[in-house]
Amino acid sequence: ETGVTQSPTHLIKTRGQQVTLRCSSQSGHNTVSWYQQALGQGPQFIFQYYREEENGRGNFPPRFSGLQFPNYSSELNVNALELDDSALYLCASSPGGLTYEQYFGPGTRLTVT
Amino acid sequence: AQSVTQLGSHVSVSEGALVLLRCNYSSSVPPYLFWYVQYPNQGLQLLLKYTSAATLVKGINGFEAEFKKSETSFHLTKPSAHMSDAAEYFCAVSRTNTGNQFYFGTGTSLTVIP
Repeated sequence: ETGVTQSPTHLIKTRGQQVTLRCSSQSGHNTVSWYQQALGQGPQFIFQYYREEENGRGNFPPRFSGLQFPNYSSELNVNALELDDSALYLCASSPGGLTYEQYFGPGTRLTVT
Repeated sequence: AQSVTQLGSHVSVSEGALVLLRCNYSSSVPPYLFWYVQYPNQGLQLLLKYTSAATLVKGINGFEAEFKKSETSFHLTKPSAHMSDAAEYFCAVSRTNTGNQFYFGTGTSLTVIP
Protein backbone atom coordinates (compact mmCIF):
# COMPACT_ATOMS: atom_id res chain seq x y z
CA GLU A 1 0.00 0.00 0.00
CA THR A 2 1.48 3.34 -1.10
CA GLY A 3 1.18 6.23 1.31
CA VAL A 4 0.57 9.87 0.55
CA THR A 5 3.26 11.41 -1.62
CA GLN A 6 3.93 15.05 -2.44
CA SER A 7 6.05 16.80 -5.00
CA PRO A 8 8.26 18.65 -5.15
CA THR A 9 10.00 18.32 -1.80
CA HIS A 10 11.34 21.86 -1.82
CA LEU A 11 11.06 24.83 -4.11
CA ILE A 12 11.98 28.46 -4.17
CA LYS A 13 9.85 31.08 -5.90
CA THR A 14 9.91 34.83 -6.28
CA ARG A 15 7.19 37.12 -4.99
CA GLY A 16 4.45 37.53 -7.57
CA GLN A 17 5.05 34.17 -9.24
CA GLN A 18 2.67 31.25 -9.35
CA VAL A 19 3.28 27.75 -7.97
CA THR A 20 1.67 24.33 -8.29
CA LEU A 21 2.10 21.66 -5.65
CA ARG A 22 1.07 18.06 -6.19
CA CYS A 23 -0.26 15.30 -3.98
CA SER A 24 -0.99 11.64 -4.64
CA SER A 25 -3.47 10.20 -2.20
CA GLN A 26 -3.16 6.87 -0.46
CA SER A 27 -4.66 3.94 -2.33
CA GLY A 28 -8.41 3.75 -1.78
CA HIS A 29 -8.72 7.33 -0.50
CA ASN A 30 -10.99 9.73 -2.37
CA THR A 31 -10.61 12.78 -0.14
CA VAL A 32 -7.65 15.15 -0.06
CA SER A 33 -7.11 18.05 2.31
CA TRP A 34 -4.42 20.71 2.09
CA TYR A 35 -2.81 22.53 4.99
CA GLN A 36 -0.33 25.37 5.35
CA GLN A 37 2.14 25.13 8.21
CA ALA A 38 4.16 28.27 8.84
CA LEU A 39 7.40 27.94 10.78
CA GLY A 40 6.69 27.27 14.43
CA GLN A 41 2.94 27.04 13.93
CA GLY A 42 0.32 24.35 13.69
CA PRO A 43 -1.10 23.42 10.29
CA GLN A 44 -3.90 25.66 8.97
CA PHE A 45 -6.66 24.10 6.89
CA ILE A 46 -6.74 25.47 3.33
CA PHE A 47 -9.40 23.35 1.63
CA GLN A 48 -10.57 19.82 1.03
CA TYR A 49 -11.56 17.95 -2.13
CA TYR A 50 -13.94 15.01 -2.12
CA ARG A 51 -14.68 13.19 -5.37
CA GLU A 52 -13.26 16.07 -7.41
CA GLU A 53 -15.39 18.75 -5.73
CA GLU A 54 -14.30 21.31 -3.13
CA ASN A 55 -15.77 20.15 0.17
CA GLY A 56 -14.82 22.87 2.62
CA ARG A 57 -12.45 25.80 2.73
CA GLY A 58 -10.51 27.56 5.43
CA ASN A 59 -9.75 31.25 5.73
CA PHE A 60 -7.49 31.57 2.69
CA PRO A 61 -7.85 34.06 -0.20
CA PRO A 62 -9.02 32.99 -3.67
CA ARG A 63 -5.47 33.02 -5.02
CA PHE A 64 -5.21 29.64 -3.27
CA SER A 65 -7.02 27.20 -5.53
CA GLY A 66 -7.07 23.49 -6.07
CA LEU A 67 -8.04 20.60 -8.23
CA GLN A 68 -8.70 16.94 -7.72
CA PHE A 69 -8.37 14.50 -10.58
CA PRO A 70 -10.32 11.30 -11.35
CA ASN A 71 -7.55 9.23 -9.78
CA TYR A 72 -8.02 11.40 -6.63
CA SER A 73 -4.61 13.01 -6.84
CA SER A 74 -4.71 16.73 -6.21
CA GLU A 75 -3.00 20.02 -6.96
CA LEU A 76 -2.70 23.16 -4.90
CA ASN A 77 -2.14 26.33 -6.91
CA VAL A 78 -1.07 29.61 -5.42
CA ASN A 79 -1.06 32.76 -7.55
CA ALA A 80 0.66 36.07 -6.91
CA LEU A 81 2.95 34.63 -4.28
CA GLU A 82 3.65 36.70 -1.20
CA LEU A 83 6.51 36.40 1.26
CA ASP A 84 4.07 35.13 3.92
CA ASP A 85 3.24 32.17 1.72
CA SER A 86 6.58 30.67 2.69
CA ALA A 87 5.62 27.54 4.62
CA LEU A 88 5.41 23.76 4.64
CA TYR A 89 2.39 22.66 2.63
CA LEU A 90 0.91 19.41 3.78
CA CYS A 91 -1.49 17.17 1.96
CA ALA A 92 -3.61 14.56 3.73
CA SER A 93 -5.83 11.88 2.25
CA SER A 94 -8.72 10.03 3.80
CA PRO A 95 -11.38 7.53 2.74
CA GLY A 96 -14.94 8.53 1.96
CA GLY A 97 -14.87 12.09 3.26
CA LEU A 98 -13.97 10.87 6.75
CA THR A 99 -11.31 13.35 7.69
CA TYR A 100 -10.65 11.73 11.02
CA GLU A 101 -8.94 8.92 9.20
CA GLN A 102 -6.60 11.21 7.32
CA TYR A 103 -2.98 10.38 6.60
CA PHE A 104 -0.41 13.05 5.88
CA GLY A 105 2.29 13.29 3.27
CA PRO A 106 5.79 14.58 4.03
CA GLY A 107 5.01 18.07 2.76
CA THR A 108 6.43 20.54 0.29
CA ARG A 109 8.63 23.31 1.65
CA LEU A 110 7.93 26.52 -0.26
CA THR A 111 10.21 29.51 0.11
CA VAL A 112 9.17 32.83 -1.41
CA THR A 113 11.89 35.43 -1.82
CA ALA B 1 -16.47 27.60 16.46
CA GLN B 2 -13.81 25.12 17.32
CA SER B 3 -10.27 25.51 18.49
CA VAL B 4 -7.64 23.84 20.58
CA THR B 5 -5.20 25.32 23.03
CA GLN B 6 -1.96 23.60 23.85
CA LEU B 7 -0.52 24.77 27.13
CA GLY B 8 3.24 24.99 27.00
CA SER B 9 5.02 25.44 23.71
CA HIS B 10 8.08 23.63 25.09
CA VAL B 11 8.18 20.74 27.53
CA SER B 12 11.34 19.03 28.81
CA VAL B 13 11.37 15.73 30.63
CA SER B 14 14.09 13.35 31.72
CA GLU B 15 14.38 9.99 30.03
CA GLY B 16 12.14 7.56 31.90
CA ALA B 17 9.94 10.29 33.38
CA LEU B 18 6.25 10.85 32.80
CA VAL B 19 5.28 12.80 29.71
CA LEU B 20 2.25 15.07 30.01
CA LEU B 21 1.26 17.34 27.13
CA ARG B 22 -1.82 19.46 27.67
CA CYS B 23 -4.65 20.19 25.27
CA ASN B 24 -7.93 21.97 25.88
CA TYR B 25 -10.60 22.33 23.26
CA SER B 26 -13.60 24.49 22.62
CA SER B 27 -16.37 23.08 20.53
CA SER B 28 -20.03 23.77 20.04
CA VAL B 29 -20.71 20.10 19.36
CA PRO B 30 -19.12 16.90 20.68
CA PRO B 31 -15.76 16.83 18.99
CA TYR B 32 -13.43 14.35 17.48
CA LEU B 33 -10.00 14.89 19.01
CA PHE B 34 -6.58 13.85 17.82
CA TRP B 35 -2.91 13.91 18.69
CA TYR B 36 -0.32 13.99 15.96
CA VAL B 37 3.47 13.84 16.17
CA GLN B 38 5.83 15.55 13.75
CA TYR B 39 9.51 14.75 13.52
CA PRO B 40 11.86 17.29 11.92
CA ASN B 41 11.30 17.78 8.21
CA GLN B 42 8.51 15.24 8.13
CA GLY B 43 4.72 15.20 7.85
CA LEU B 44 2.30 14.44 10.65
CA GLN B 45 1.79 10.98 12.08
CA LEU B 46 -1.40 10.09 13.93
CA LEU B 47 -0.73 9.02 17.53
CA LEU B 48 -4.32 8.48 18.62
CA LYS B 49 -7.87 9.71 18.16
CA TYR B 50 -11.06 10.08 20.18
CA THR B 51 -14.29 9.58 18.25
CA SER B 52 -16.89 9.33 21.05
CA ALA B 53 -16.15 5.76 22.05
CA ALA B 54 -14.03 5.01 25.14
CA THR B 55 -12.83 8.15 26.90
CA LEU B 56 -9.37 6.67 27.53
CA VAL B 57 -7.69 6.24 24.19
CA LYS B 58 -4.53 4.24 23.67
CA GLY B 59 -2.28 5.09 20.78
CA ILE B 60 1.00 4.08 19.27
CA ASN B 61 4.41 4.17 20.96
CA GLY B 62 2.90 3.84 24.44
CA PHE B 63 0.97 7.12 24.35
CA GLU B 64 -2.55 7.53 25.64
CA ALA B 65 -5.02 10.36 26.17
CA GLU B 66 -8.17 10.82 28.21
CA PHE B 67 -11.18 12.77 27.02
CA LYS B 68 -12.64 14.77 29.91
CA LYS B 69 -15.76 16.59 28.85
CA SER B 70 -16.17 18.42 32.17
CA GLU B 71 -12.70 19.90 31.77
CA THR B 72 -12.81 20.18 27.95
CA SER B 73 -9.41 18.52 27.95
CA PHE B 74 -7.62 15.82 26.01
CA HIS B 75 -4.17 15.61 27.57
CA LEU B 76 -1.55 13.27 26.15
CA THR B 77 0.50 11.09 28.48
CA LYS B 78 3.20 8.46 28.39
CA PRO B 79 4.45 6.78 31.57
CA SER B 80 8.11 6.69 30.61
CA ALA B 81 9.77 9.01 28.10
CA HIS B 82 12.22 7.66 25.57
CA MET B 83 14.80 9.66 23.65
CA SER B 84 12.96 8.85 20.42
CA ASP B 85 9.88 10.70 21.74
CA ALA B 86 11.57 14.06 21.15
CA ALA B 87 9.42 15.75 18.52
CA GLU B 88 6.65 18.30 17.97
CA TYR B 89 3.20 17.26 19.14
CA PHE B 90 -0.06 18.71 17.84
CA CYS B 91 -3.53 18.40 19.25
CA ALA B 92 -6.40 18.79 16.76
CA VAL B 93 -10.19 18.92 16.80
CA SER B 94 -12.68 18.11 14.09
CA ARG B 95 -16.43 18.42 13.80
CA THR B 96 -18.35 15.20 14.28
CA ASN B 97 -21.00 15.66 11.61
CA THR B 98 -18.85 16.04 8.53
CA GLY B 99 -15.33 15.98 9.88
CA ASN B 100 -14.18 17.96 6.89
CA GLN B 101 -12.11 20.51 8.79
CA PHE B 102 -9.33 20.03 11.24
CA TYR B 103 -8.23 22.71 13.67
CA PHE B 104 -4.73 22.25 15.02
CA GLY B 105 -3.15 23.70 18.10
CA THR B 106 0.13 25.58 17.89
CA GLY B 107 2.12 22.56 18.99
CA THR B 108 4.29 21.51 21.90
CA SER B 109 7.94 20.73 21.38
CA LEU B 110 9.03 17.83 23.59
CA THR B 111 12.67 17.54 24.63
CA VAL B 112 13.88 14.39 26.36
CA ILE B 113 16.94 14.84 28.54
CA PRO B 114 19.22 11.82 28.89
